[in-house]
Amino acid sequence: NAGVTQTPKFQVLKTGQSMTLQCAQDMNHEYMSWYRQDPGMGLRLIHYSVGAGITDQGEVPNGYNVSRSTTEDFPLRLLSAAPSQTSVYFCASSRTGRIDTQYFGPGTRLTVL
Amino acid sequence: GDSVTQMEGPVTLSEEAFLTINCTYTATGYPSLFWYVQYPGEGLQLLLKATKADDKGSNKGFEATYRKETTSFHLEKGSVQVSDSAVYFCALSDNTGGFKTIFGAGTRLFVKA
Repeated sequence: NAGVTQTPKFQVLKTGQSMTLQCAQDMNHEYMSWYRQDPGMGLRLIHYSVGAGITDQGEVPNGYNVSRSTTEDFPLRLLSAAPSQTSVYFCASSRTGRIDTQYFGPGTRLTVL
Repeated sequence: GDSVTQMEGPVTLSEEAFLTINCTYTATGYPSLFWYVQYPGEGLQLLLKATKADDKGSNKGFEATYRKETTSFHLEKGSVQVSDSAVYFCALSDNTGGFKTIFGAGTRLFVKA
């Protein structure tokens, strides 16, 4: 099993550009989520999904879109990048979401100039 | 809303020293509690968890006990090694129907040889 994979590992964008961060898991997990990690702030939930076709907002959803067309994939789209979106982004999955262990990808380090 | 508070770091210890990282939480329901560890350049991985009051989670010499009366879940290890140098995150997950995990800000641990 590859677990949770994320691409790219690093990305530099200019303000206003759009891009998609890819996330895939091969564990047949129902629950997937996106977090951003900023210094001194821990991880903050951006969006999550409890199954294919179902998504919901987390703590900091503005400026991001998600979709979940398959169980395996959960891409995160930045519509118009801003310097405030410079961060490390982690995708995670878990079997059910309720009190379950989350499995994290290796992260994408994004810089917006 | 739910929240997690961790002691600020960094924590610097010599090898074989005793480690305590404090974690307290605020929750309206009956959460499960977790400690995750992040090694340099990697995503988070579960270290241990406890799902109800008085449960003790343990793994790799680390322990934490779910104390409902003090709303705490402090992480301890009797003798740290250089390889334990990492960032440690305390987290809670709501059992009452939500699907969100709340993370603390993280505590960086440095262990010197």
